[in-house]
Amino acid sequence: AQSVTQLGSHVSVSEGALVLLRCNYSSSVPPYLFWYVQYPNQGLQLLLKYTTGATLVKGINGFEAEFKKSETSFHLTKPSAHMSDAAEYFCAVSPYYGNNRLAFGKGNQVVVIP
Amino acid sequence: DVKVTQSSRYLVKRTGEKVFLECVQDMDHENMFWYRQDPGLGLRLIYFSYDVKMKEKGDIPEGYSVSREKKERFSLILESASTNQTSMYLCASSQPPGDQPQHFGDGTRLSIL
Repeated sequence: AQSVTQLGSHVSVSEGALVLLRCNYSSSVPPYLFWYVQYPNQGLQLLLKYTTGATLVKGINGFEAEFKKSETSFHLTKPSAHMSDAAEYFCAVSPYYGNNRLAFGKGNQVVVIP
Repeated sequence: DVKVTQSSRYLVKRTGEKVFLECVQDMDHENMFWYRQDPGLGLRLIYFSYDVKMKEKGDIPEGYSVSREKKERFSLILESASTNQTSMYLCASSQPPGDQPQHFGDGTRLSIL
């Protein structure tokens, strides 16, 4: 069984500061990992994903994440927060076989302070 | 661009009613999913389907059923709506295998009075 832990339901960050959202997963098989973003009154959009290969993955809107197998982590970062980054962020894990059923974390609501 | 369309953005129904939520995708995806989203609980999978007329229970199937008669359409049915089913419902679609992302609709905010 797979599961995802995202700590801190609400995260406040100052405009221009580093955004760091932590994601730890448990999976009995090598996983595929995803970060999604949800803006108010919208569905989820894919930010980035890790499948195989390079462990540092770049996504849209200046976000990136690093897969660390030894730490079972896939933390999301952005060097400089923008007001438009205010949204909810979800980490998700999928097994490398099967029908890509995802297990989601509970999400981080990011507030950007001017 | 993949388009997943949910039939209603907002819906208000009464306790005991039979409720249908419809979802259509335009990318010929094999897999379709229904989630509910509640504050502090993230997304929880209700049902998913990996082929026409095929379905599997997710983590919280109680009180729900689904129908997939055509590849592009996946319906969620609340047989007898209850107030604890008030929630945001999200539909998604994807292609196998597991490295392919899911594509989401904008959601239906359902209120049961």
